[in-house]
Amino acid sequence: GENVEQHPSTLSVQEGDSAVIKCTYSDSASNYFPWYKQELGKGPQLIIDIRSNVGEKKDQRIAVTLNKTAKHFSLHITETQPEDSAVYFCAARGSQAGTALIFGKGTTLSVSS
Amino acid sequence: GAVVSQHPSWVICKSGTSVKIECRSLDFQATTMFWYRQFPKQSLMLMATSNEGSKATYEQGVEKDKFLINHASLTLSTLTVTSAHPEDSSFYICSARGQTGIGYRYNEQFFGPGTRLTVL
Repeated sequence: GENVEQHPSTLSVQEGDSAVIKCTYSDSASNYFPWYKQELGKGPQLIIDIRSNVGEKKDQRIAVTLNKTAKHFSLHITETQPEDSAVYFCAARGSQAGTALIFGKGTTLSVSS
Repeated sequence: GAVVSQHPSWVICKSGTSVKIECRSLDFQATTMFWYRQFPKQSLMLMATSNEGSKATYEQGVEKDKFLINHASLTLSTLTVTSAHPEDSSFYICSARGQTGIGYRYNEQFFGPGTRLTVL
């Protein structure tokens, strides 16, 4: 089955700096790669996603890149703000119908002002 | 976007009792529902996948007789933790996926707010 590795586990940046979180996946058949933000005591919230037929996607300060050959994808947050502080999870899903998202272990992002 | 609700948001029970958690898709029909468990400072671990009207498929290591999943309708799935013990204390999160259609991109998976279970 799918296995997703995520790095780093913790990331501390100054407000205004950029933050990058990287993930690798094992199943070459996976074709959907979302990123979630989770605040304490809440469910994960989708912030951006990318499909395997696209190499990059951007939404304001957030961007995701995908390298299918290397089987890795990354989340880029620019101009970080204190409210960006949270746990971020990457996930991957295979192409078979009914397949669930498999999550990375998460990255705790701390943005200090 | 699509909304998934869970009830209760938190529950405290005594060891040996059973607890039922409900997961509802409020504005779409969920053909597939997933249950995840999350221990403190850890990732979401998939417990089981259920399709409406079918028996759930459990992940390796998850006891199907302990974690009973029912997906009787396209908008409701329930997880019952039977004979709960302190080690079952966790954050349980459901997720629902509808059919691809207008307003829904590529079978997007929507998550509920989670249920905090504490077993004393």
